[in-house]
Amino acid sequence: EVVLTQSPATLSLSPGERATLSCRASQSVSSLLVWYQQKPGQAPRLLIYDASNRATGIPARFSGSGSGTDFTLTISSLEPEDFAVYYCQQRTNWPPTFGQGTRLEIK
Amino acid sequence: QVQLQESGPGLVKPSETLSLTCTVSGGSISSYYWTWIRQPPGKGLEWIGYIHYTGTTNYNPSLKSRVTISMNTSKNQFSLKMSSVTAADTAVYYCARAGNDTIYYVMEYWGQGILVTVSS
Repeated sequence: EVVLTQSPATLSLSPGERATLSCRASQSVSSLLVWYQQKPGQAPRLLIYDASNRATGIPARFSGSGSGTDFTLTISSLEPEDFAVYYCQQRTNWPPTFGQGTRLEIK
Repeated sequence: QVQLQESGPGLVKPSETLSLTCTVSGGSISSYYWTWIRQPPGKGLEWIGYIHYTGTTNYNPSLKSRVTISMNTSKNQFSLKMSSVTAADTAVYYCARAGNDTIYYVMEYWGQGILVTVSS
């Protein structure tokens, strides 16, 4: 099973700042890495698939990069609605696995 | 717009079977992968398994012995059964559409989730 490790566990930033979230895989997942955003009491929302492809309706301030074992989700300028928990997920190996999440909180 | 809605008991007794149904609207279940994912309170996400529109299923090895996913195309629904539940199975259970044969295991549409508590 592929283990995904996200860092940091918590990121404290202010609106307007740039956020950089990391996801590292225990073995190569090629580019088959997905990012989700989850707000309290809500289902996760798909942001990015296959490392760098924005899902339908996702603002351009969200971008993803990486391949192999190291991936990054970048939010270029934080909006108030971006403060949430972010999960990465690999879809290379069965079962698909998720990282433990990064909580993005308002500083 | 595709919508998914979970339904089923919110309370299940230990050792009994958890049964949930996901009703899909705004699109046919006769395409795509359909999946169940769970999230214990305050914790992360765990993939339970999927059913492909062809009827093929696959389950997380950690749960495989206790889980069955099935579908009813006439009702546009798919279902989860998990046997011999314990308190560790207490979680919010989500159903989701998990992509197509090219971009699979990517959950673009989710249900709102249903909290299932295992307790006597």
